[in-house]
Amino acid sequence: GENVEQHPSTLSVQEGDSAVIKCTYSDSASNYFPWYKQELGKRPQLIIDIRSNVGEKKDQRIAVTLNKTAKHFSLHITETQPEDSAVYFCAAAFQGGKLIFGQGTELSVKP
Amino acid sequence: DTGVSQDPRHKITKRGQNVTFRCDPISEHNRLYWYRQTLGQGPEFLTYFQNEAQLEKSRLLSDRFSAERPKGSFSTLEIQRTEQGDSAMYLCASSLAGTGVWGSSGANVLTFGAGSRLTVL
Repeated sequence: GENVEQHPSTLSVQEGDSAVIKCTYSDSASNYFPWYKQELGKRPQLIIDIRSNVGEKKDQRIAVTLNKTAKHFSLHITETQPEDSAVYFCAAAFQGGKLIFGQGTELSVKP
Repeated sequence: DTGVSQDPRHKITKRGQNVTFRCDPISEHNRLYWYRQTLGQGPEFLTYFQNEAQLEKSRLLSDRFSAERPKGSFSTLEIQRTEQGDSAMYLCASSLAGTGVWGSSGANVLTFGAGSRLTVL
């Protein structure tokens, strides 16, 4: 089947700490794994993505790692700031080109 | 072109009525997706198009739901005989389908609209 599982559902960290969100995907996922950030009342926005020919990608304080053998990928946010507070969704591309999303992680960064 | 536009932004209707949502994608994008999102959940895939062709419709989607993209530009999503369980945010997204590896050169990256919120009383 086509499934993406995301954990944890909620995450609370102190400002300056790191946050890690993990996702697993079912066998039929292909080569593309994006992460979206959704602030309250707003649309999901792409923050970083990774393709299966690389194991890690970084963009300033955000990094994503991919383990194709274990079928999981993770989002890492370092030096968290209050403006990082939002809901984060992982996604995986499946046969035919559609994206299937995880259930979301509500990140709260406390000042 | 200011991005993906959706109309209306909010719709309140009574159970049993039909509703239609419209999505205008980014003009050069040939793929268009519809998702449904309820509070506390991730976007749930409904259907998607490449140009005017509907490539896939979710098996979870009732026959009361239909989508069209007649000229390969804007799309409409119609829900017939609405039920209270249809209350949700309906998100449209578009992308430029590329060849080769997903995500290369920005291809296949989804840009979302602001959504159409449906409330069924």
